[in-house]
Amino acid sequence: SQTIHQWPATLVQPVGSPLSLECTVEGTSNPNLYWYRQAAGRGLQLLFYSVGIGQISSEVPQNLSASRPQDRQFILSSKKLLLSDSGFYLCASYRGNLYEQYFGPGTRLTVT
Amino acid sequence: AQSVTQLDSQVPVFEEAPVELRCNYSSSVSVYLFWYVQYPNQGLQLLLKYLSGSTLVKGINGFEAEFNKSQTSFHLRKPSVHISDTAEYFCAVRGSKRGGSEKLVFGKGTKLTVNP
Repeated sequence: SQTIHQWPATLVQPVGSPLSLECTVEGTSNPNLYWYRQAAGRGLQLLFYSVGIGQISSEVPQNLSASRPQDRQFILSSKKLLLSDSGFYLCASYRGNLYEQYFGPGTRLTVT
Repeated sequence: AQSVTQLDSQVPVFEEAPVELRCNYSSSVSVYLFWYVQYPNQGLQLLLKYLSGSTLVKGINGFEAEFNKSQTSFHLRKPSVHISDTAEYFCAVRGSKRGGSEKLVFGKGTKLTVNP
C-alpha cells in the first residue's frame, strides 16, 4: 500500500523568507503527484500536479513553484513568502488501480 | 470542466440523529464521484466513491451516498451519527476518461458537528 510522507509537519516563517516543503511517496512507482493548499474556509485549491519526473503543471499563478527531481519526490518552493501563503499544504498521489487520490498528513504553514 | 457545490457549509446535529450532506456537480462528460473526510489537522481520507454500476455506494464508518444522474447529485448520508463523526467532509468529482492528469475538483467542504 502507498504511504505519503510530508515534512515538516508545521512551519512558521517570516514574510519574505524562502520555503521548501517536501513530499515523498512509498509503495508505488511513477505516480501522478499533486500539491493542494487549504486556507481557512476556502476548501482545497490545486496548486500543481506532475505526471512524471521534471513534468510540472501549474494550476494557479502565484509566487510558488514545484519540482519533481525523482519519481517519488515532489517539492513545493517559494523564494519569498507572502502572508497569503499561510495555510495547510497537502500532497496527494494518484492510485490508478483504485481511481482515487491518496493524501499525505499535511504541512501547516504560518507566515508571520 | 467540472464543478462541485456543497450546499451547506456547516451542519450541526445531535448524536444518534441521521444526517445528509448535500453535493451537486456540473459536468459535460461522465464522471467519477468521491467523498473525503478530514479530521482536524490531518490529511483527507476517502470515505467512498462512485465509479459505475449501482448508484447506492457504501463506504467506511457507516456512510453511504447515492448517485443521481438526473439531478447531478451525490449526497452523503448516515442513519445515526456519533460524536467521532465530527469533521469536515469534501465532495469531489473528475471526468471518467482515463489518462492525463486525473485531477479532482473539490467542493468547499461541509463541517459536520455532532453534539451530545
